[in-house]
Amino acid sequence: EAQVTQNPRYLITVTGKKLTVTCSQNMNHEYMSWYRQDPGLGLRQIYYSMNVEVTDKGDVPEGYKVSRKEKRNFPLILESPSPNQTSLYFCASSRTGTSGRTDTQYFGPGTRLTVL
Amino acid sequence: AQSVTQLDSHVSVSEGTPVLLRCNYSSSYSPSLFWYVQHPNKGLQLLLKYTSAATLVKGINGFEAEFKKSETSFHLTKPSAHMSDAAEYFCVVTWGGKLIFGQGTELSVKP
Repeated sequence: EAQVTQNPRYLITVTGKKLTVTCSQNMNHEYMSWYRQDPGLGLRQIYYSMNVEVTDKGDVPEGYKVSRKEKRNFPLILESPSPNQTSLYFCASSRTGTSGRTDTQYFGPGTRLTVL
Repeated sequence: AQSVTQLDSHVSVSEGTPVLLRCNYSSSYSPSLFWYVQHPNKGLQLLLKYTSAATLVKGINGFEAEFKKSETSFHLTKPSAHMSDAAEYFCVVTWGGKLIFGQGTELSVKP
């Protein structure tokens, strides 16, 4: 089954304790991206990757890191989490066309993170 | 700069009546536009997309949207609402690797 998986699905942590949220896709998509969803703000893009070893900032990259060492995986790293990073996080992947445009995003199920 | 504005944060309709969810965009480039739906406690699913082919785009579950460049709009419509349409809807503009989401419109459907 074609899918995007995220782990963990739920996480409660404390300020300053480094954490990683994993994301994996089995569709051989070139493009992957991370978003956070907060009430009233919709989804905001954190980082994206057009292909292996190619990453770029979205609208809200502060406090986050990513890496793309393999095509299927795109982990999100919070080196020193703070309470304002409490949110619902989604990973997504898609193909890219010949023009370089991303296509339909396939979303993971989400990770609900609480930072105390 | 690119931006997306969903003009209504909440829309309430009766079952069987038409649905209109409004989306205006601003883009310096020729954009790709999408509508996604999010049911409660679920991930997001594609409803439909515009990628510079036909301006009237048909999607899943009877939804459609019309790209109007002169009005910079991409409104989502459905002729007859069903209870299962109750969800949050997001209009999205993309260019290159960047995606900009609207703030979302919550659709309620009354019996």
